[in-house]
Amino acid sequence: GQQLNQSPQSMFIQEGEDVSMNCTSSSIFNTWLWYKQDPGEGPVLLIALYKAGELTSNGRLTAQFGITRKDSFLNISASIPSDVGIYFCAGLSAGNNRKLIWGLGTSLAVNP
Amino acid sequence: GAVVSQHPSRVICKSGTSVKIECRSLDFQATTMFWYRQFPKQSLMLMATSNEGSKATYEQGVEKDKFLINHASLTLSTLTVTSAHPEDSSFYICSARGLGSQYFGPGTRLLVL
Repeated sequence: GQQLNQSPQSMFIQEGEDVSMNCTSSSIFNTWLWYKQDPGEGPVLLIALYKAGELTSNGRLTAQFGITRKDSFLNISASIPSDVGIYFCAGLSAGNNRKLIWGLGTSLAVNP
Repeated sequence: GAVVSQHPSRVICKSGTSVKIECRSLDFQATTMFWYRQFPKQSLMLMATSNEGSKATYEQGVEKDKFLINHASLTLSTLTVTSAHPEDSSFYICSARGLGSQYFGPGTRLLVL
C-alpha cells in the first residue's frame, strides 16, 4: 500500500541536541499527524496539523505542515533520554474512505 | 486527552483456539475504529475499518472470516482472531477516530503456540 517517505530512518544523538525528521508524499493530505511509539506500546499522538503552512508546538516539539500539503517536519529541541522511541508521521486524506497513510518511522536513540 | 483502552494487553493461546480483543474509547465517542497489526520493526498495517452498527471494511489480503470485527457501540469494538495459528502471532493495535484526530490503544501482544 501507499506509504510516506520518512527520513532519517534512524538517529543516534547526544542528550541536549536538537533533532529534525521529515516526511514527504506524492499525494496531498488535509491532515498530518506525528506519533511516538515506545516498545510494546501503541502510538501516542504528539502533534496534529490541519492547515497548510501551520506551525504547531507541543513543549519541546515543533511540527510544520508544508505549504504544498505534501510534506511535514518534526523538530525536537534539547533532547532528553525519554525521547527515545520510534516517531511516525501519518497523513489523512479527505473523502469518505479516509485512512491514515504511514511513514516507516524514525528510530531515535539518545545517549545520556 | 483522548484515551483508548485495549484488553487484554497480552495473550498466549494454543493453536486452533479463538481470541477476542476489546477496544474502548474511554472519554469520547468514536463512529469509526480501526484495527492494525504490527510486526517487529515495521510500521502499522491497517487490517480493517469498523463503523458503528455496520459491517467492517477489510483491507486487501485480510480474511474477514478469520478476523471477526464487531463495533457494537460508539465506544466499543472487538476483534476476534478465530482458529488462531502461530503465524497470527503479532502486535494488534486498535485506534479510534474522534475529536479531529485518531488515537491509539496500547496494543495487544498475541502469541499463538
